[in-house]
Amino acid sequence: GNSVTQMEGPVTLSEEAFLTINCTYTATGYPSLFWYVQYPGEGLQLLLKATKADDKGSNKGFEATYRKETTSFHLEKGSVQVSDSAVYFCALSDRGGGADGLTFGKGTHLIIQP
Amino acid sequence: EPEVTQTPSHQVTQMGQEVILRCVPISNHLYFYWYRQILGQKVEFLVSFYNNEISEKSEIFDDQFSVERPDGSNFTLKIRSTKLEDSAMYFCASSEAPNSPLHFGNGTRLTVT
Repeated sequence: GNSVTQMEGPVTLSEEAFLTINCTYTATGYPSLFWYVQYPGEGLQLLLKATKADDKGSNKGFEATYRKETTSFHLEKGSVQVSDSAVYFCALSDRGGGADGLTFGKGTHLIIQP
Repeated sequence: EPEVTQTPSHQVTQMGQEVILRCVPISNHLYFYWYRQILGQKVEFLVSFYNNEISEKSEIFDDQFSVERPDGSNFTLKIRSTKLEDSAMYFCASSEAPNSPLHFGNGTRLTVT
């Protein structure tokens, strides 16, 4: 079956540091890949997505590249801010990303210190 | 920006009791979902709903769970006889189409004592 593995948290960084949150997946076929973010007290929000190999999703300074050869979708940001503190979830869908369910990782809690 | 709203934000119930979690999806969305996250574990898919019927459900979604769209705006998850292990954060989501991004609510934290 499908599965998503992401690095354990919490990840604590100083403001302006470089961020990488690792995500690898196991799936049948050619899944779509997503990063969702959950800010304190809020619901999950789609941060970025990629639907095929070598696609790069980007939003709010975050990027992730769909690497089929390494089955990875690592999240990166060049210079983090305190406001980026949140829980980040990597997810996949093998049905186009909507109906019939996403498979999520456990989430990585990111803490950015001023 | 329209959003998915869930009520209540926190529900405490005793084991064996029935509980109904409520969601108001975004008004022009047609696909609805429930997910849950047990503390410290993954967000897990429970069920998807379209055209007034369940389109898919996971193994977690057994006979004690049911979903309903009782009117044009609400989407509910009922747990018939709660167990301690049902304690979790329950997220509702909706989307315009099967391939559209999901929009999630803020979640309902269910505590079963």
